Amino acid sequence: TQLLEQSPQFLSIQEGENLTVYCNSSSVFSSLQWYRQEPGEGPVLLVTVVTGGEVKKLKRLTFQFGDARKDSSLHITAAQPGDTGLYLCVRSGGGSEKLVFGKGTKLTVNP
Amino acid sequence: NAGVTQTPKFRILKIGQSMTLQCTQDMNHNYMYWYRQDPGMGLKLIYYSVGAGITDKGEVPNGYNVSRSTTEDFPLRLELAAPSQTSVYFCASRGRISNQPQHFGDGTRLSIL
Repeated sequence: TQLLEQSPQFLSIQEGENLTVYCNSSSVFSSLQWYRQEPGEGPVLLVTVVTGGEVKKLKRLTFQFGDARKDSSLHITAAQPGDTGLYLCVRSGGGSEKLVFGKGTKLTVNP
Repeated sequence: NAGVTQTPKFRILKIGQSMTLQCTQDMNHNYMYWYRQDPGMGLKLIYYSVGAGITDKGEVPNGYNVSRSTTEDFPLRLELAAPSQTSVYFCASRGRISNQPQHFGDGTRLSIL
């Protein structure tokens, strides 16, 4: 079983603060995806990272893939209430039909 | 563009009843998946299909069955519902390349009492 560890499990912050959440694995990722799940909805893909050291930006969200492709981080700048949701790190690619999900980080941004 | 559509959105069952959760997608995706999500947990794979007529077990298949007679539809059958099957069920689909995004439905919230 290729476990994914996400931290922190829960995070509650005030609007305007910055935050970082982490995803770690003991084995190398072929590729890694980050999804966001809002209450009452299914997960939606935010980004896919493939190359070690890769950095991708999506407005106020910055995604980094570790050089060894065993870890990733998601940094949110100036968080807004609309960022509230469950952020899921997912192992993907490598020709596998299946995704492996972490348990997620539940983020609450208070106005 | 409808994407992935799941029905019903909510359902309450009595122990021992059976039901079918419906899932249909209009993106002509070969790959389809059923997950369950329990409170505070990520998604666990129940069954998946790589194309019409082909299904395979995921991590937690016991108590469930699936079929894939068409590309569009991937129903999930619960036989003899048990309280442990109380969960939120998500159906998803994706295209042929393994790191393409999975597209999820909005889920079915199922309670077994």
